[in-house]
Amino acid sequence: AQSVTQLDSQVPVFEEAPVELRCNYSSSVSVYLFWYVQYPNQGLQLLLKYLSGSTLVKGINGFEAEFNKSQTSFHLRKPSVHISDTAEYFCAVSSGGSQGNLIFGKGTKLSVKP
Amino acid sequence: GAGVSQSPSNKVTEKGKDVELRCDPISGHTALYWYRQRLGQGLEFLIYFQGNSAPDKSGLPSDRFSAERTGESVSTLTIQRTQQEDSAVYLCASSPGARQTQYFGPGTRLLVL
Repeated sequence: AQSVTQLDSQVPVFEEAPVELRCNYSSSVSVYLFWYVQYPNQGLQLLLKYLSGSTLVKGINGFEAEFNKSQTSFHLRKPSVHISDTAEYFCAVSSGGSQGNLIFGKGTKLSVKP
Repeated sequence: GAGVSQSPSNKVTEKGKDVELRCDPISGHTALYWYRQRLGQGLEFLIYFQGNSAPDKSGLPSDRFSAERTGESVSTLTIQRTQQEDSAVYLCASSPGARQTQYFGPGTRLLVL
């Protein structure tokens, strides 16, 4: 069975500082990996995804993530955060079945302070 | 273009009542998913529709939960005899096909008193 672990439930950081949100997954098959962001009182929005190819994936709003197969990780990074990045971030893996339903981590709340 | 829409945005009901939640996927998307997000938790998969194939109901938590989809359009999620533990945000997502990027609606926030 597949699972996703987001190691930090909350990450406080000052504006313009770098940030890394950690995600580890377990799967016995090849996976597709995703990061979604949920701004306060809004729906989920896709930040970036890894399907195949280059292990460094760039997404919207200056975020990027690196797929590391040996460490089964897909950590999300941004070199300099803004107040507007305050949101909850979810890592997800696509199931091995043909339907592709997503298995989500419990989320990491990023709080950017001035 | 229009995204995934869901209604109602909020629903408060009494324990034991039935509720029906609606999802309108993006036009042309053949795949539709329902998820549940409990407070402080990640999203849990509930059910998946793909075209005219039989739905994958493997995530439904009990037989009080059911869902229907008319062709490749609107879907309704029904919860019968609601319980307090059903309180959650119910999210719908659609995608152009299986294993493709899913686009989420804003969700229906359900509170069972």
